[in-house]
Amino acid sequence: AQSVAQPEDQVNVAEGNPLTVKCTYSVSGNPYLFWYVQYPNRGLQFLLKYITGDNLVKGSYGFEAEFNKSQTSFHLKKPSALVSDSALYFCAVRDTVRSGGYQKVTFGTGTKLQVIP
Amino acid sequence: SAVISQKPSRDICQRGTSLTIQCQVDSQVTMMFWYRQQPGQSLTLIATANQGSEATYESGFVIDKFPISRPNLTFSTLTVSNMSPEDSSIYLCSVGAGGAGNQPQHFGDGTRLSIL
Repeated sequence: AQSVAQPEDQVNVAEGNPLTVKCTYSVSGNPYLFWYVQYPNRGLQFLLKYITGDNLVKGSYGFEAEFNKSQTSFHLKKPSALVSDSALYFCAVRDTVRSGGYQKVTFGTGTKLQVIP
Repeated sequence: SAVISQKPSRDICQRGTSLTIQCQVDSQVTMMFWYRQQPGQSLTLIATANQGSEATYESGFVIDKFPISRPNLTFSTLTVSNMSPEDSSIYLCSVGAGGAGNQPQHFGDGTRLSIL
């Protein structure tokens, strides 16, 4: 069974400082990993993904994430936080080992990012 | 990427009533997904809807409570039946990520449902 954990319910960071939102996962095979952002009264928007290859992936709005297989982590990062980055962030995983028909996605519980001016 | 329109965006309903949520996609898609997002919790998959076949429900969700229609490749509805306060939640329609599974999903803006 696959799972994903976001250990922090909320992360506070000052504007201009680097930010990190943590995510760890568990899969049977190799993971497909995704980060999504949810702004108030909106659905989830795709930020970036790791499928294979370079462990550092870059995505939208200046975000990047580092895949670490030994630590089974996929932390989201940004060098300089903006107030407009304040939102709810979800990590998601899909196992490459299929269980029954469709390969379902498992979402983390979300981390609220608060960037303080 | 697909553009998904979801209606209504929010509603306040009386217990015991039913509400149908509509999801329209700007392109043809094979699979559509309905999620529930409860306050402070993750997304929970309710069911997967394929055109021309009955929806596949996840554990804990049943067709009588959450009937789904999928009349064509661009549209789906989710009905929340006989609502109770526990059904107060955000309901999200999603598409994408079929096949090899290495593509992201796309989401509608959700329906924020409150039951009195």
